[in-house]
Amino acid sequence: DSGVTQTPKHLITATGQRVTLRCSPRSGDLSVYWYQQSLDQGLQFLIQYYNGEERAKGNILERFSAQQFPDLHSELNLSSLELGDSALYFCASTRQWGRNEQFFGPGTRLTVL
Amino acid sequence: DQQVKQNSPSLSVQEGRISILNCDYTNSMFDYFLWYKKYPAEGPTFLISISSIKDKNEDGRFTVFLNKSAKHLSLHIVPSQPGDSAVYFCAASARGGSEKLVFGKGTKLTVNP
Repeated sequence: DSGVTQTPKHLITATGQRVTLRCSPRSGDLSVYWYQQSLDQGLQFLIQYYNGEERAKGNILERFSAQQFPDLHSELNLSSLELGDSALYFCASTRQWGRNEQFFGPGTRLTVL
Repeated sequence: DQQVKQNSPSLSVQEGRISILNCDYTNSMFDYFLWYKKYPAEGPTFLISISSIKDKNEDGRFTVFLNKSAKHLSLHIVPSQPGDSAVYFCAASARGGSEKLVFGKGTKLTVNP
């Protein structure tokens, strides 16, 4: 158990809908990262937050947005969902700046029908 | 443009033998490398890392070798155990800026009893 929690574990929805994925980092971790893993793909970096502020953006679609709250949990919002958004979404956290390994949650499997 | 490549989608070895997983990268700005192990329905678990100032790092049965001139790293598992059967991801991060990780697509290791 990495100490990172993600909810829900599974999510099935229809095209055009909007969903929110939630992540609670390890206790004391200030940095949260979101990654997407599509079929047969490695994990793709989406966005990073550090202590409530957006720190870096990867290949995140404009239909996607995220935020980190004062209690350091983070939410990833996916809207106008398309079939291609079906994937595993992972959250990871690290304690602080620097070369610390990232600890991953169990992921949320999103299926768009 | 895949910056981190794991060219072997799968590898099968006998229990007790050595497993060697390979990874190549193209971005010369990468200066920190990590290996993660992933079981089905779980998030990636950190295994071992190496900074670009080193060429070897050991942790128990796991050793990572880095060849900067060849932009190549490898993970050696000795001796291999059936419980090591999982997908292994190589990841890298670049100096400066965000510590986002760039992942390879993974190698599925099967250790046969």
